[in-house]
Amino acid sequence: DAEITQSPRHKITETGRQVTLACHQTWNHNNMFWYRQDLGHGLRLIHYSYGVHDTNKGEVSDGYSVSRSNTEDLPLTLESAASSQTSVYFCASSETGQGQETQYFGPGTRLLVL
Amino acid sequence: KQEVTQIPAALSVPEGENLVLNCSFTDSAIYNLQWFRQDPGKGLTSLLLIQSSQREQTSGRLNASLDKSSGRSTLYIAASQPGDSATYLCAVGAFGDYKLSFGAGTTVTVRA
Repeated sequence: DAEITQSPRHKITETGRQVTLACHQTWNHNNMFWYRQDLGHGLRLIHYSYGVHDTNKGEVSDGYSVSRSNTEDLPLTLESAASSQTSVYFCASSETGQGQETQYFGPGTRLLVL
Repeated sequence: KQEVTQIPAALSVPEGENLVLNCSFTDSAIYNLQWFRQDPGKGLTSLLLIQSSQREQTSGRLNASLDKSSGRSTLYIAASQPGDSATYLCAVGAFGDYKLSFGAGTTVTVRA
């Protein structure tokens, strides 16, 4: 069955370190998204991609970067981790085309920045 | 910027009662609206998707309505069960875009 996976599921890091969160989908979807979820804020979009080599900033992109070298993967990098980036991170994907807008979510990565 | 609000943030009901969850959005020029379910420590699972041209969508005990002009959607869950306990989020999609704007969710507890 097609799926979307994230790794690691839990991560503890120190302020100032670079961290990369992996996202891999086997749906062959063109669209991929990274969100963070914090209490009281719901899901906020960090970065998104509509195809290979395409990346775009979301509403909370400062301090984060992504790159898309193939269809399956969209890794999220925290350039220099800050305590404010402690959160739960979700990756999602969706197909392109009318009626195909449902987003499929990964299980999430819990990140703690000390 | 689209703002999506879900009130209440939490509710608790006895088993068997019908659930009514509300979602409101500020910009009525939407392409679609989706309802998701999130279990503790898990990702989101899509429940229903309503296109802007539709007024409602049904799946089993779930029914979602959409009133674009008033910027509201309602998710009804009939004859609630303890297994319905979860957080329910609504999300709005815009024309020409695949991004979603999410509400903060309503956490539901169904008491046995």
